[in-house]
Amino acid sequence: EAGVTQSPTHLIKTRGQQATLRCSPISGHTSVYWYQQALGLGLQFLLWYDEGEERNRGNFPPRFSGRQFPNYSSELNVNALELEDSALYLCASSGGLAGGQFNEQFFGPGTRLTVL
Amino acid sequence: GNSVTQMEGPVTLSEEAFLTINCTYTATGYPSLFWYVQYPGEGLQLLLKATKADDKGSNKGFEATYRKETTSFHLEKGSVQVSDSAVYFCANRASGGYNKLIFGAGTRLAVHP
Repeated sequence: EAGVTQSPTHLIKTRGQQATLRCSPISGHTSVYWYQQALGLGLQFLLWYDEGEERNRGNFPPRFSGRQFPNYSSELNVNALELEDSALYLCASSGGLAGGQFNEQFFGPGTRLTVL
Repeated sequence: GNSVTQMEGPVTLSEEAFLTINCTYTATGYPSLFWYVQYPGEGLQLLLKATKADDKGSNKGFEATYRKETTSFHLEKGSVQVSDSAVYFCANRASGGYNKLIFGAGTRLAVHP
């Protein structure tokens, strides 16, 4: 069974540009989560999508946004990139709310975003 | 809100040594608790979990017990191997139905032959 996949593996952008990161969940999972792992800041929750809806959002500015598609894959968009956005962005998936319980989150390998 | 505090690393041990990585948490309600491991160049993998007080999670020789009275979930292994070298994250799952994980800062473990 394929795990959570993320693309691209690495992404290099300059300040002010936009970055788009993609995530495909494990087959059958309807929930997708995004986390930021920045040096010195640890792992921080960004966004949670389930069945195409944004369910919860972490303490990040509005230039961090995303969406979930009908096939449950997800995009994370970061606008007006700043140097401090450089981080590893991890996506995770799990069974969703429709299952009646919160299930284990399985993580992808991450996308390393570097902002120059 | 929920938070997790874990001991700072790096932790450096010789093979077959005993490992303890301390983790304490704050939470409203009764959170589920987790240990995740991140091997070099890889994403996070769930190592073990506990969902209620006094539960013991275990996997691959690692154990952790959910101690509500001390709000702790310390990770232990009796005999570490070189292959255990990784970064270990303690986490709790926020209450209120949001299903987001709150992570500690991570503890890097280096095991030498």
